[in-house]
Amino acid sequence: DSGVTQTPKHLITATGQRVTLRCSPRSGDLSVYWYQQSLDQGLQFLIQYYNGEERAKGNILERFSAQQFPDLHSELNLSSLELGDSALYFCASSVAVSTGELFFGEGSRLTVL
Amino acid sequence: EDQVTQSPEALRLQEGESSSLNCSYTVSGLRGLFWYRQDPGKGPEFLFTLYSAGEEKEKERLKATLTKKESFLHITAPKPEDSATYLCAVHVSGAGSYQLTFGKGTKLSVIP
Repeated sequence: DSGVTQTPKHLITATGQRVTLRCSPRSGDLSVYWYQQSLDQGLQFLIQYYNGEERAKGNILERFSAQQFPDLHSELNLSSLELGDSALYFCASSVAVSTGELFFGEGSRLTVL
Repeated sequence: EDQVTQSPEALRLQEGESSSLNCSYTVSGLRGLFWYRQDPGKGPEFLFTLYSAGEEKEKERLKATLTKKESFLHITAPKPEDSATYLCAVHVSGAGSYQLTFGKGTKLSVIP
């Protein structure tokens, strides 16, 4: 158990809908990362927050947004969903803003029908 | 564009049969190379960090090495519980924080 909690574990929705994925980092970790994993693209970095502020942005679509709250939990919002958004979405956390040692949650599997 | 390529895509070994996984990278300004293990239905689990050519790290049956162009994950006398997908990732200079670029992984199966 990494200590990172993600909900929901599975989510099935329709095209055009909006969903919110939630992540609680390990106790004491200030940095939260979101990654998308699909069969053909592998693990892709989306966005990083550190202590409530956005620190780095990857290939995150404009339809996607995220935030980190004062209690350090984070939410990833996905809107106007398309079939191609079906993937595993992982949250990871770390103590420091600059470290490659990330602790990943078990992921949220999104299926868009 | 920074690239990380892992080979082979899949590897089947008999229990006890040692082998190596390869991670080659074409990046400018490598600041760190990382190995992770991912079990089915789970998130990646951190294994090693390597920072400079010539560096080696060991953990149980695993040893990671780094050259200027690639990294190897050597698996000595593997057991069935070593079966997993092994991912490597790089962090490059210029990124304000740790944005990792991952390879697509090597799926290792160890047969009893």
